[in-house]
Amino acid sequence: ILNVEQSPQSLHVQEGDSTNFTCSFPSSNFYALHWYRWETAKSPEALFVMTLNGDEKKKGRISATLNTKEGYSYLYIKGSQPEDSATYLCAFRQTGANNLFFGTGTRLTVIP
Amino acid sequence: ETGVTQTPRHLVMGMTNKKSLKCEQHLGHNAMYWYKQSAKKPLELMFVYSLEERVENNSVPSRFSPECPNSSHLFLHLHTLQPEDSALYLCASSQVLRGGQETQYFGPGTRLLVL
Repeated sequence: ILNVEQSPQSLHVQEGDSTNFTCSFPSSNFYALHWYRWETAKSPEALFVMTLNGDEKKKGRISATLNTKEGYSYLYIKGSQPEDSATYLCAFRQTGANNLFFGTGTRLTVIP
Repeated sequence: ETGVTQTPRHLVMGMTNKKSLKCEQHLGHNAMYWYKQSAKKPLELMFVYSLEERVENNSVPSRFSPECPNSSHLFLHLHTLQPEDSALYLCASSQVLRGGQETQYFGPGTRLLVL
């Protein structure tokens, strides 16, 4: 089992604030890093798949960066809205493996 | 939301019961997965089926028995479970590509309580 850590575990921000959180993963045998958004009682929804060191992806107000050499990825949300409230999961995939190893997630609450 | 469906959404069972969880994917994918999420723990892979053959079984106890009759359906048969098996069970599917970083698409999960 590989160690994938996310911080913080939970986060409360005011509507309109920008925020970011971290996913740390092993820097060896990197293949891909996935970000998911998971609202309560719904299915986890894929946000990004990142594969290249230095990669940056964007979807609306959400963006993510990747550093495979040091083993971390940041997820940024600009101008948080109440509908951004969810748990954000990252998952690491190693070279030659089928498995995704998930972190425990960052629970974001945006206060109106 | 309707790409991967799971039934039932909630299940309460006794330790001597036999029940089954069902997953169906409508995305034309060739791989399906069962994950378990216990409280305050990360999603943990249980089983992977690729092209209807099991390719991964992460040392899951035999009281959990998967079945994949075709590429669209996946079952998890449950027998003589323990209270510590109470968890959220998630199904996912993906299209496995050569050298690809395919995305897994998840169902909403079945919340299982074992009494």
